This record gives sequence, structure tokens and C-alpha cells, in this order.
Amino acid sequence: NAGVTQTPKFQVLKTGQSMTLQCAQDMNHEYMSWYRQDPGMGLRLIHYSVGAGITDQGEVPNGYNVSRSTTEDFPLRLLSAAPSQTSVYFCASSSAPLGGREQYFGPGTRLTVT
Amino acid sequence: ILNVEQSPQSLHVQEGDSTNFTCSFPSSNFYALHWYRWETAKSPEALFVMTLNGDEKKKGRISATLNTKEGYSYLYIKGSQPEDSATYLCAFANAGGTSYGKLTFGQGTILTVHP
Repeated sequence: NAGVTQTPKFQVLKTGQSMTLQCAQDMNHEYMSWYRQDPGMGLRLIHYSVGAGITDQGEVPNGYNVSRSTTEDFPLRLLSAAPSQTSVYFCASSSAPLGGREQYFGPGTRLTVT
Repeated sequence: ILNVEQSPQSLHVQEGDSTNFTCSFPSSNFYALHWYRWETAKSPEALFVMTLNGDEKKKGRISATLNTKEGYSYLYIKGSQPEDSATYLCAFANAGGTSYGKLTFGQGTILTVHP
């Protein structure tokens, strides 16, 4: 049971490039989320999903796109990378929506945009 | 955007000291309050999820209390050990409005336990 996995662990992009951060979970959780973590700030919700085919925006969705075609996978796409997107990105999953159950976090992806 | 505040921002204690931190959150539309422990170079791990006013949870030397009417939760660590050094995050789950179903995290309290 691998839990929540994320790839890559590190990535450097140039401004304007696009890329996809991968997230997968093997716990059959319906609820998955993407957060970014910046110095001096708490984890901020980017996008989340309550099941395959259903996604919604979080607090800071601009510049990011998501889709959920399977229960297991929830990729995050950066459409045109900007230096403001330099951050550490965490994917999380939970067995229940509405924050009623604990979140399981992946190991994170550290992204630098130059 | 909901306001979730944690205090203090950082804390240094000696091994064996007991300590506590505070998480303040909106007192309306409460659904749940989470506490996470986040060690350096690792990912956050859940400590507690509390849903009822007056809830008290305990895991080893760590315990937490919840007051939803006044909008605060305390996390206590008894007899701190160096391995307790970490950032402790709280997160509030809202039951209404545009934030329905989403977790809002506080900035965290950084605990350093000196041997």
C-alpha cells in the first residue's frame, strides 16, 4: 500500500513552459486535493475533486488546471508557468469530503520557475 | 477566505517541558477541526480530526481540545522530546457558503525541543 504518490519530486521550469504534476493514491479515496505551500503561509487549496469526473476550484486556482478521469489519479497542470508558481505542491486524499476525515498527503513536488 | 490563526508562530522549549499551542477559527458553520504534524522534509501527518464541541482527543503525550462556540482549539504536548520538533498545523472545515467542504489551514506553529 503506497498511499499517495507524487512525481516528480523536483522540477525546474522556464517561464511560459507547461507541465503536469502527477498524483496517485491506492486507498480508493474519492476525495483528492492539491495544495501549494509558500514560506510564511499555510497550505492553500488549489483545486479539489470529490470523485471521478468532478472537480472544483479552491482558494488559488488561477494558472492551474485539473481533471479526474479515474479514482486513483488527479494530475495538476500548469498551463504557462510563472515565477509566482514557484512553490512546494502537495497532493492529498481522504475517504470523505467536507473535511470530516483525515487527509493523507503525498511527499510533495518542489517546483522552481525561472 | 476564512481566517484560521495559529499562535505562537514558533516556540522553543527544553526537553521535558510541557507546552501548548492555539488554533483560532470562525465560530459559525463549523464542520471539523484537524491537527497535523509536519516534520522537516516529510509530508504532513494527521494527529486528530475533531467534530464535536467539547471534544478531547489524545495520542500518547499529545492531546487536543475543541471549543466550537468560541472558535478555538488547543494542542498540548506533555513532556516534550526532541523528536516532537516539527510544525503543527491546524485546519478548519467549513459547513457552509462558498468554502463548503474545503479545508483552510493555519500558518502553523514551529516547535523546537532542545535536548
